[in-house]
Amino acid sequence: GESVGLHLPTLSVQEGDNSIINCAYSNSASDYFIWYKQESGKGPQFIIDIRSNMDKRQGQRVTVLLNKTVKHLSLQIAATQPGDSAVYFCAEPGSARQLTFGSGTQLTVLP
Amino acid sequence: NAGVMQNPRHLVRRRGQEARLRCSPMKGHSHVYWYRQLPEEGLKFMVYLQKENIIDESGMPKERFSAEFPKEGPSILRIQQVVRGDSAAYFCASSPDRETEAFFGQGTRLTVV
Repeated sequence: GESVGLHLPTLSVQEGDNSIINCAYSNSASDYFIWYKQESGKGPQFIIDIRSNMDKRQGQRVTVLLNKTVKHLSLQIAATQPGDSAVYFCAEPGSARQLTFGSGTQLTVLP
Repeated sequence: NAGVMQNPRHLVRRRGQEARLRCSPMKGHSHVYWYRQLPEEGLKFMVYLQKENIIDESGMPKERFSAEFPKEGPSILRIQQVVRGDSAAYFCASSPDRETEAFFGQGTRLTVV
């Protein structure tokens, strides 16, 4: 069936470095994606979204890139900070905005 | 404006008991979504409700699970005759309409012993 999934389950980066978290999707008709951050013991928190008519979207310290040719999107975090340590999910809303989540990437920021 | 409130935050039930999880959406939000998260996994959609209506329950197990969102009061996710496999974190999200991003609560962590 259709799915949204992630390449790597864990990622460790040095504080101050940039982080790149990847996500693959299989539905060519997908037109909207969202990145969520989930800290330990908390619910998912919206980070940034992107529609399929865009290749790139920037927020505060975060950038999402969408490559529709290879059905891949990535989340880039600039100057990663300790507070960025969390699990990051890409997600795709359905027709009623119910979300299909990927399996997540655990980002650990090293001092 | 308080966020999405879920209670209890932690719930322990013995096998065979009932679990009732509550979700109070943000003020002005009439759309509620329930998700389940098993350890080390992503969230899985269970059910989407609007006031007094179940819109999409395609992710709900066919037996033992039910959800409601009454005209007054919180949304309730009810699990009857719990089994160990029901142990998970259950998250609720709410939105004002179908077009707007939903906000998540902190979740209820259910442990079945």
